[in-house]
Amino acid sequence: GAGVSQSPSNKVTEKGKDVELRCDPISGHTALYWYRQSLGQGLEFLIYFQGNSAPDKSGLPSDRFSAERTGGSVSTLTIQRTQQEDSAVYLCASSWYRGRGYEQYFGPGTRLTVT
Amino acid sequence: KNEVEQSPQNLTAQEGEFITINCSYSVGISALHWLQQHPGGGIVSLFMLSSGKKKHGRLIATINIQEKHSSLHITASHPRDSAVYICAVRNLIQGAQKLVFGQGTRLTINP
Repeated sequence: GAGVSQSPSNKVTEKGKDVELRCDPISGHTALYWYRQSLGQGLEFLIYFQGNSAPDKSGLPSDRFSAERTGGSVSTLTIQRTQQEDSAVYLCASSWYRGRGYEQYFGPGTRLTVT
Repeated sequence: KNEVEQSPQNLTAQEGEFITINCSYSVGISALHWLQQHPGGGIVSLFMLSSGKKKHGRLIATINIQEKHSSLHITASHPRDSAVYICAVRNLIQGAQKLVFGQGTRLTINP
């Protein structure tokens, strides 16, 4: 079946503009995660969804970042008034919540460049 | 100090060598993941462990919960194994769904 997909694959934007990043999880996966990997840095957790609700938003770096998930499926990560430090690869992952447990399947990522 | 520490940070070896990558963590965990990230950036989950040992092909992952340590071994290494290997843990305190990542080990296998 199809894996996790993300769009766009690359996004270049000017400082101060808003951007939306999309994630389509594996069908049936109830949990969805957003991560960020800045250049030369490790992965960092941003937010986790269980269904449409986000029990853990602790990784969002500022109030310019928000995310939503609709229909227990597609998720959108929005960054308002982008800054150069927002440049990174944004990764989405999804998993079952039970059964096989929490093994996460990652999408290919969106490379965001803020100029 | 990071909650998850990997060693070495970089490793270069010749094809056929036995490879070991280590991961130490400082918190109570519910599970540990080993991930592989290829130069193109895609991430693949290799193993999820909560105890003991798992094997998949030439890859073996072990975990010692008492010592808070895990190892990833690659037998008969091949140039296609060249990638960044990332250890990540699910923190018991912070919640079962949040992964905390190590900095990764960049592995290069020369033919």
